[in-house]
Amino acid sequence: EVHLVESGGGSVKPGESLSLSCFASGFTFADTWMSWFRQVPGKGLEWVGRIKSKDNGGTADYAAPVKGRFTISRDDSKNTLYLQMDSLKAADSALYYCATVAGIATWGQGTLVTVSS
Amino acid sequence: NFLLTQPHSVSESPGKTVTISCTRNNGSIASNYVQWSQQRPGSAPTTLIYEDNERPSEVPRRFSGSIDPSSNSASLTITGLKTEDDADYYCQSFDDDNREVLGGGTKLTVL
Repeated sequence: EVHLVESGGGSVKPGESLSLSCFASGFTFADTWMSWFRQVPGKGLEWVGRIKSKDNGGTADYAAPVKGRFTISRDDSKNTLYLQMDSLKAADSALYYCATVAGIATWGQGTLVTVSS
Repeated sequence: NFLLTQPHSVSESPGKTVTISCTRNNGSIASNYVQWSQQRPGSAPTTLIYEDNERPSEVPRRFSGSIDPSSNSASLTITGLKTEDDADYYCQSFDDDNREVLGGGTKLTVL
């Protein structure tokens, strides 16, 4: 069974950094493109970015609001996806989900990030 | 790039059928697969439909997806509505660089 577990959320001040992790199990992580999404409670889902599998170049793309501040990476030896978030803003406060890309997408349960002074 | 537009909300009675639309504003809806997800209150999204009209084995046959090139839209149809279908529904697709494009979501109320 495909299973994704996010961790690393917390409360930080504007301008600070935070790193999220997503541990994957139940599928061949190295072959799978992965995305991050976020959702402000009560609002719609927002795509944050995506990283390809290393066989497809391993490159990442980002949504405009986070480009240049967020970095997605992966460690296939640890079945883990990462989201490094720098220069955080109040508008980045949300529940962050990792998800598999394409086919039958699966999401984790999310980790909450709060950016507040 | 393109946008996917969904109705903000729809409501229908138990046992009835509802269709939620997802309209692409430029480029062909048939160019890239559309998927639909369901998000119940307090839960993470789950996939209902992938690759336009494919249904994961655990998703009931009451849920179906289709695309209509003439209206450049995709649709999610739910028959035999149940109160448990009360949820938010999102369409999503991919641009030519395989970046995900999400609709704004539709709140379905079954009353």
